[in-house]
This record gives sequence, C-alpha cells and structure tokens, in this order.
Amino acid sequence: SQQGEEDPQALSIQEGENATMNCSYKTSINNLQWYRQNSGRGLVHLILIRSNEREKHSGRLRVTLDTSKKSSSLLITASRAADTASYFCATARVGNEKLTFGTGTRLTIIP
Amino acid sequence: EAGVAQSPRYKIIEKRQSVAFWCNPISGHATLYWYQQILGQGPKLLIQFQNNGVVDDSQLPKDRFSAERLKGVDSTLKIQPAKLEDSAVYLCASSFNEGNRAFFGQGTRLTVV
Repeated sequence: SQQGEEDPQALSIQEGENATMNCSYKTSINNLQWYRQNSGRGLVHLILIRSNEREKHSGRLRVTLDTSKKSSSLLITASRAADTASYFCATARVGNEKLTFGTGTRLTIIP
Repeated sequence: EAGVAQSPRYKIIEKRQSVAFWCNPISGHATLYWYQQILGQGPKLLIQFQNNGVVDDSQLPKDRFSAERLKGVDSTLKIQPAKLEDSAVYLCASSFNEGNRAFFGQGTRLTVV
C-alpha cells in the first residue's frame, strides 16, 4: 500500500512561476524525502527533512513538514522547463525504516 | 562514485516464463530496495534488505517472486512464473543505512506478453 498521497496528481504552470505540491502520509515517520523522476528514468533524491524539522531549503526548493497534520509540501521557485518531471514523496517510518513512496505529482512546465 | 547498476535494461517474456533481474548497489551501502513501478503509479516496495537480512517483504508476492542478497552486496529478483500484470519497471535502490537518502538504478523495464 502507498504510505503517501501527493496532491495535485498533475500540475501545469508557465515557466518562471512557482510550483507547489503536497504530500500526506498515514503513520509516524523519522523523515520524509522528496524525489524527482524524469520520464523513463530512475528516481533522483532532492531533499530530506527530519521529523523534528519544520522547514528546509535547497537551492530553488523549499520543503515544509507538519507532523501534527501528517503532511509536507514541496515548493519549486522560478520554475524552468527542465523541472518537468514526476515528483514523489517518500517516508521512512518509525520502527522499521521502510522507505515507502506516494502516488506522485506530474509537473509540466510550459515554456 | 559509481551508481547503482541494474541489468538488463529491458526484457520481454511470455507469460508463465521466468525472469531474473540483477542489482549491484553502491559500495558500502547496507540497505538495498527492490521496487515495482507500474506505468503512471508510484514505486511500490517489494522487498528491503539490511545487509543480507530482510527488513520487509510484506508486499512481495511470494508465490511467484523471490529475492536474495548474498554476502550483503549484489541482489537478484526473480519472477516465476510471470503474469501479464507483472509488466512494470523494476527499480533497485541502495542507501548507506535504513532511512537515509536512496540512490536508484535506471531500472529494468519488463514486458510480459
């Protein structure tokens, strides 16, 4: 079963705009990670946020985590055509550290 | 640093045949994962190893799927016999330890006809 669910399932924005996608999960976690997948390729790790952190930045990426609501958001600022990809959240659970992925958000950047 | 290596990249087989996938993780990584990704869906964890022990295989269809990680390094995933619904990309990943960032291979695209 999928631990996380991303919202929206698909998102199309103009180049230069900001993109926000959300992830909700079900169980207590040690950390939450975001990955990107270009069509037909493997997944690439973007950022990891621990359960005791609330916000983290990496370049144009900003991730927030609200453990009380069991949710996270990924913000990509000043989007580029190269950001077109599917984005997945993954959670490492408390107890068994199983790394479980969500359903993904397909992001399309329109030049 | 060399990445996670998987082979083959593509495989087409008939239903009821058997198939095996191979994965060589990043050197020194204790945790190894096999995921199944059906087109348009997120990766589904099939099995997770910590060194050569199984951490979780709750979603592995054990009547047809098997996996091993001998000596805590390379791993093979086998399907026997294959069904049409096994058509998917099989992704291998490794991480230094449980809960750390995972590094993925390019995957094996399996088509069962």
